[in-house]
Amino acid sequence: QSALTQPPSVSGSPGQSVTVSCTGSSSDVGRYNFVSWYQQPPGAAPKLVIYEVSNRPSGVPDRFSGSKSGNTASLTISGLQAEDEANYYCTSYTSSNRYVFGTGTQVTVL
Amino acid sequence: QVQLVQSGAEVKKPGASVKVSCKASGYTFFGYHIHWVRQAPGQGLEWMGCINGDTGVTNPAQKFQGRVTMTRDTSIWSVYMELSSLTSDDTALYYCAREATRTFYMDVWGKGTTVTVSS
Repeated sequence: QSALTQPPSVSGSPGQSVTVSCTGSSSDVGRYNFVSWYQQPPGAAPKLVIYEVSNRPSGVPDRFSGSKSGNTASLTISGLQAEDEANYYCTSYTSSNRYVFGTGTQVTVL
Repeated sequence: QVQLVQSGAEVKKPGASVKVSCKASGYTFFGYHIHWVRQAPGQGLEWMGCINGDTGVTNPAQKFQGRVTMTRDTSIWSVYMELSSLTSDDTALYYCAREATRTFYMDVWGKGTTVTVSS
């Protein structure tokens, strides 16, 4: 199972919006609405920010949103803040009853 | 509070095995899967497999089949991941993470266990 494809990096100024894409296939992202996103600041463990494509866990700011179209899922951070600077990973459940992570995207706040 | 407490750092020689533990705290063990995810230095996250806390049934990633063993001890709310035939490519930070059964996302993560493979 190949990793889902994410851009290596995206950046934006405070207050702007950035979008991170996550491209898979018809066996994972395109087949199930079981895409989740994780935020990992340097030196820290991953933290869940989006589940089931577009749902936010309690405590996650509403500037984080998710969507999906075909085989590509997206994470959008609106009103970018300095504390959002981190690596972000998508993951999807797959047709082989397993999970696959994305390659990861570094979000930089300029 | 709900947390997963992992065992301490390990240093192993090539060819050896390592066993990492993950202890559940603040929640009932049953009704959850525990996943294992690793991260090599400077690299991304890699899913290794999971174990069903209710039944003990395991689901290893194809890459690790035959080399990874996941077990649980329900008496002390702990899950174990043993990786054998270690090489330098197995040097990584190993995380355990919780999934409420069949929710398909990991909502609580341990802090990670560093495993270094070096001769």
